[in-house]
Amino acid sequence: DAKTTQPNSMESNEEEPVHLPCNHSTISGTDYIHWYRQLPSQGPEYVIHGLTSNVNNRMASLAIAEDRKSSTLILHRATLRDAAVYYCILRDVSSGNTGKLIFGQGTTLQVKP
Amino acid sequence: DTGVSQDPRHKITKRGQNVTFRCDPISEHNRLYWYRQTLGQGPEFLTYFQNEAQLEKSRLLSDRFSAERPKGSFSTLEIQRTEQGDSAMYLCASSLTGWDSPLHFGNGTRLTVT
Repeated sequence: DAKTTQPNSMESNEEEPVHLPCNHSTISGTDYIHWYRQLPSQGPEYVIHGLTSNVNNRMASLAIAEDRKSSTLILHRATLRDAAVYYCILRDVSSGNTGKLIFGQGTTLQVKP
Repeated sequence: DTGVSQDPRHKITKRGQNVTFRCDPISEHNRLYWYRQTLGQGPEFLTYFQNEAQLEKSRLLSDRFSAERPKGSFSTLEIQRTEQGDSAMYLCASSLTGWDSPLHFGNGTRLTVT
């Protein structure tokens, strides 16, 4: 079962920042926090991941709480092309694990022009 | 980087028929995963290969399902005696071995069983 909790849906206005929350209160020391998104009729696409520290890349930023029990994906300026389902996933990297991703329901982000 | 390629994109079959899907991962990726996704749900893990070895299978993978990855390159997923409940999007993903390596997904094969 997925070990994360996300809101079912969120709305944003174009060119405004978007903060997508994720709760993972049962996170273990060997779990990385991964975010993927899925645009309509496409496979999931990697967005960003982190362990303890905040992370930035060209797509987004990831803010991780100090106790690691929650995180927030930040899209700095939403565009219409960012409308997608966003998945927050804990990836277990302990020895012998296959590293598979367990997807939940995700958050459906709507971006209004 | 040509990405993960899946073939066919769409498949319509009658109940009881066998179907086979193909996945071509990114060439240097030794990890390969199969997922299934039904409408409105997140992808569900089916099976995992490291090179040619199938190392994990989900309980979702009934005896009618079989997957192979000969020579550790492309992979096939076969469903025998298809049922209407098999209708779904079948997704393939690949990655390098390192834990910092994300999964790269193909755009899937959509199966419709009539």
